[in-house]
Parts: sequence; C-alpha cells; structure tokens
Amino acid sequence: DAGVTQSPTHLIKTRGQQVTLRCSPKSGHDTVSWYQQALGQGPQFIFQYYEEEERQRGNFPDRFSGHQFPNYSSELNVNALLLGDSALYLCASSMTVLAGGSYEQYFGPGTRLTVT
Amino acid sequence: KNQVEQSPQSLIILEGKNCTLQCNYTVSPFSNLRWYKQDTGRGPVSLTIMTFSENTKSNGRYTATLDADTKQSSLHITASQLSDSASYICVVSARSNFGNEKLTFGTGTRLTIIP
Repeated sequence: DAGVTQSPTHLIKTRGQQVTLRCSPKSGHDTVSWYQQALGQGPQFIFQYYEEEERQRGNFPDRFSGHQFPNYSSELNVNALLLGDSALYLCASSMTVLAGGSYEQYFGPGTRLTVT
Repeated sequence: KNQVEQSPQSLIILEGKNCTLQCNYTVSPFSNLRWYKQDTGRGPVSLTIMTFSENTKSNGRYTATLDADTKQSSLHITASQLSDSASYICVVSARSNFGNEKLTFGTGTRLTIIP
C-alpha cells in the first residue's frame, strides 16, 4: 500500500511563472491538505480539500489555488510566482471523521520549489 | 491567535543520552496534540497523538506527556540513536466550525545526535 506520493520532487521556476504540484493520497483517504514550509520553519496551512471542494483555507493569497479530483488526488497551483514562494510544499492526506474525533494526517515527501 | 512554541530551537546530545523537548501552546478549542519527526527535506512522520484526557503516550523510545491545564507538552527520547537526528515538530489541533480540525504547527526543535 503506497503512502502519500507527490510530484515532482524538485522544481525550479522563475518569477512570474505558474506552477502545478500534484499529490496522491494514501489508499482509503478522502481528504487532502496542502502546507508550505519555508526553510527552518514549521509547515503553514494553505488549504484542505474534501469531496472535490475547498473546505478550509489558511492565510494565503488567491494566487494559491487547488483542485481535488474524483479519485481524491489533488493539485496545488501557484500563479505569478514570487521569490518568497520558494519552499517545501507538503501534501497530507487523511480520512474525514464526520462524527468528530481525531484523525491522523499522513504527509508526503514534499516538493521542493525554488523560484529564481 | 492560535500559537505553538517549542524549545529549545536546537539541541546537540551524545549518542545514548536522553533528552526532553518542550512545547507550549495557546490553541482553542483544543482537540489533540501531536508530535512529528521530520528528516531534512522529507515530510513529517507522526510519533504520537494525545487527546485532552491523555497524560502520556509512548512510541518505542519516544514518550510524550500532556498537561492540558498548563497547556504544555514534552517529548522525551530515551537512549538516543544517530537516526534520531531530525526536527521534532509539535502540532496542536483545534476543532473548526465545520467539525473537522485545523492544525497549528510549531517551528520545531532541531535535534542532532553525535557519536
């Protein structure tokens, strides 16, 4: 059973360009969350997708958008890239517990984005 | 504002020694607290999850404690190994308006084990 997978592993873009990052959740998981982790910092929540809709969003501009597909995989799109967007982008999947309770997020290996 | 603070920022210890990492939080409404281990350039891996009613939880040589009254947690590592070198991140979950959870991450403690 594969865990959370992300592609690509590394990516180099120039300012102003657009980028798409991809994530496949762990088998049986239906919720995907995206995080941005700058060097030496903890991950910052970008947004979460469930049932192909954005359910929660962190404090990120509209340049950051996403999508979830019927097979629960997800994409993160960033437009008009800035130097400050350089970071490790993490995808985490989980199973939504509708009645409440704790669920565990499983993280992928991340995509290292460098903006020059 | 929900916040998670960790100390120390970095720690260097000899192989075989024990160490304790600290986490203080101001997150409301509290749902659970998690400790993750993150190797450089990799995604975090969960070590423990504790709810409000749990005081301690172990995972091998890792033991986490939680004091919900003082809003403090610690992660104790026993008989450290070279493979324990990593960042350890404290994550606190708050229940959102949708009934699901929103995670607040600390900045982590960078642990280095030297032979």
